[in-house]
Amino acid sequence: EAGVAQSPRYKIIEKRQSVAFWCNPISGHATLYWYQQILGQGPKLLIQFQNNGVVDDSQLPKDRFSAERLKGVDSTLKIQPAKLEDSAVYLCASSSGGLSLRYNEQFFGPGTRLTVL
Amino acid sequence: AQSVAQPEDQVNVAEGNPLTVKCTYSVSGNPYLFWYVQYPNRGLQFLLKYITGDNLVKGSYGFEAEFNKSQTSFHLKKPSALVSDSALYFCAVRAPNSGGYQKVTFGTGTKLQVIP
Repeated sequence: EAGVAQSPRYKIIEKRQSVAFWCNPISGHATLYWYQQILGQGPKLLIQFQNNGVVDDSQLPKDRFSAERLKGVDSTLKIQPAKLEDSAVYLCASSSGGLSLRYNEQFFGPGTRLTVL
Repeated sequence: AQSVAQPEDQVNVAEGNPLTVKCTYSVSGNPYLFWYVQYPNRGLQFLLKYITGDNLVKGSYGFEAEFNKSQTSFHLKKPSALVSDSALYFCAVRAPNSGGYQKVTFGTGTKLQVIP
């Protein structure tokens, strides 16, 4: 089966510009995650979707970050305006389990490396 | 709040020797524990998980991990290291939060360097 797809793979922007990332999860996976991975750190969950509903966005900087998952499939993560500290790899992951299936591992995409100058 | 600690930033081991990558956790309730591996310029890949049952869990590529409830640890092990095992390893814990859904927290990662 096809894995989690993300685009673009790399993006360089200047601070205060806007940027959007796209994720296509594995077909049939109900749960979708966006993570921010800063160099030298572990992935930090930004937002978790269950189908097209948000179940956790407690660590999403909502003044500048937004995400949506229309129709419960693809998802986009947007940063507007970007700051220098947003430079990181943005990982998308999906898993097949719903809220009642708590065991399933996550499948990760290759990530988008964002550099903010 | 749940947390995961990986006390070693880097582990060096000679090829053919056994390896251990350490992980300890802190959660309320029973944890679900995971190990992921990240190769350069690639996304994270699932290695193994502990949910319940046997404390020794076997996973991909010959890796295994031992769950120790009293020490709140979930160390990753392999009997004989390969150069191709050199990568970044992440421990993760998944536990119910106050909202009733499973929250995942990752450790900071341990770089494994296998020396030929």
